Amino acid sequence: DVKVTQSSRYLVKRTGEKVFLECVQDMDHENMFWYRQDPGLGLRLIYFSYDVKMKEKGDIPEGYSVSREKKERFSLILESASTNQTSMYLCASSPGQGDYGYTFGSGTRLTVV
Amino acid sequence: AQSVTQPDIHITVSEGASLELRCNYSYGATPYLFWYVQSPGQGLQLLLKYFSGDTLVQGIKGFEAEFKRSQSSFNLRKPSVHWSDAAEYFCAVGAYQTGANNLFFGTGTRLTVIP
Repeated sequence: DVKVTQSSRYLVKRTGEKVFLECVQDMDHENMFWYRQDPGLGLRLIYFSYDVKMKEKGDIPEGYSVSREKKERFSLILESASTNQTSMYLCASSPGQGDYGYTFGSGTRLTVV
Repeated sequence: AQSVTQPDIHITVSEGASLELRCNYSYGATPYLFWYVQSPGQGLQLLLKYFSGDTLVQGIKGFEAEFKRSQSSFNLRKPSVHWSDAAEYFCAVGAYQTGANNLFFGTGTRLTVIP
């Protein structure tokens, strides 16, 4: 089975800190995604990547950046964390080439204080 | 632009009762449609998907969904709910966007099952 692993289950960070959320997949998937999940708002796409070093903005990229230096790893970066970025963050990957076979990680719950 | 509406934020049903979760989509072409379930503390698991063909789609855990183009709907059903079905359910539409097949999700419906 494809596994998508998010490095932290829970994180607590201070306002203004630089925060890295890491995601690793083990099945050579082309595409990787970062979503933010908030009650009543569902999942909203922050950024996605369809190849190494390639990235595209999703619906809510403001305040975030991403990095994909290796195919298996996709990092979400909060340059200066703010309290309104307190949320659940979900990473996902998919094979690409028209395949919608997404696999999701278990999520990182980030609290910014 | 694509969008998904799940009009019910929270639904409560008795164990053994039937269930229908509503989903309406907006998409210019033939949609790719999905239902996912998220149990507490877990990632999302695919229940079923519709790409083309038979409009009644069978999924895992006894769920089914029916695609109705005229109503732009893709409602999820189960004839008899089990306590373990308590979770949050997300409907999604798939759309190609700059190199990747993206999923666009509704706001979710939380299902509570009472004994």
